[in-house]
Amino acid sequence: SAVISQKPSRDICQRGTSLTIQCQVDSQVTMMFWYRQQPGQSLTLIATANQGSEATYESGFVIDKFPISRPNLTFSTLTVSNMSPEDSSIYLCSVQGEDYGYTFGSGTRLTVV
Amino acid sequence: QKEVEQNSGPLSVPEGAIASLNCTYSDRGSQSFFWYRQYSGKSPELIMSIYSNGDKEDGRFTAQLNKASQYVSLLIRDSQPSDSATYLCAPRNTNAGKSTFGDGTTLTVKP
Repeated sequence: SAVISQKPSRDICQRGTSLTIQCQVDSQVTMMFWYRQQPGQSLTLIATANQGSEATYESGFVIDKFPISRPNLTFSTLTVSNMSPEDSSIYLCSVQGEDYGYTFGSGTRLTVV
Repeated sequence: QKEVEQNSGPLSVPEGAIASLNCTYSDRGSQSFFWYRQYSGKSPELIMSIYSNGDKEDGRFTAQLNKASQYVSLLIRDSQPSDSATYLCAPRNTNAGKSTFGDGTTLTVKP
């Protein structure tokens, strides 16, 4: 299965600022997925990132708040913009394997103060 | 109705017992089903996948699928304290192939 390097692993940010999370995959993948996991809760899909096209956002998530880049088949970034304390969460990138199961990055624990 | 429902936890079993984790799903067209294990403070890890009705065994783990009942389960035999984690069920939806995750069941195995 793919190996994903995600960074930063954690950050504490001031409200109103932005944070960019990076994910590097050790193989080429068509789709990358960005999830959010709030404390004690399950995973919520933010968007699907395809190389060469705009990301597809899920209901409740918008590009202005969570812009995504996908410059090539091994890399993607998610930016959390104009942060508020409600954005405090764990953010995860993931890719699908050949069996359609997901492999996840190690996660970014974001705290907004 | 939620797309994925898991039995409410937390679930606590003694070491050596069988732990049973259950999941129902609403998308009747789902073809692939996955179980993930998530240790506290870590990201989820895929541990089992099942595609056809019946049982699939992998070591101490057995996944069971009943498509007619839209039901998936994970049995952990000879439970160990190291099995203590949250287990997430995720059918692969027919809609763009995405997976929707259940809320998870937290399992504690007591020595």
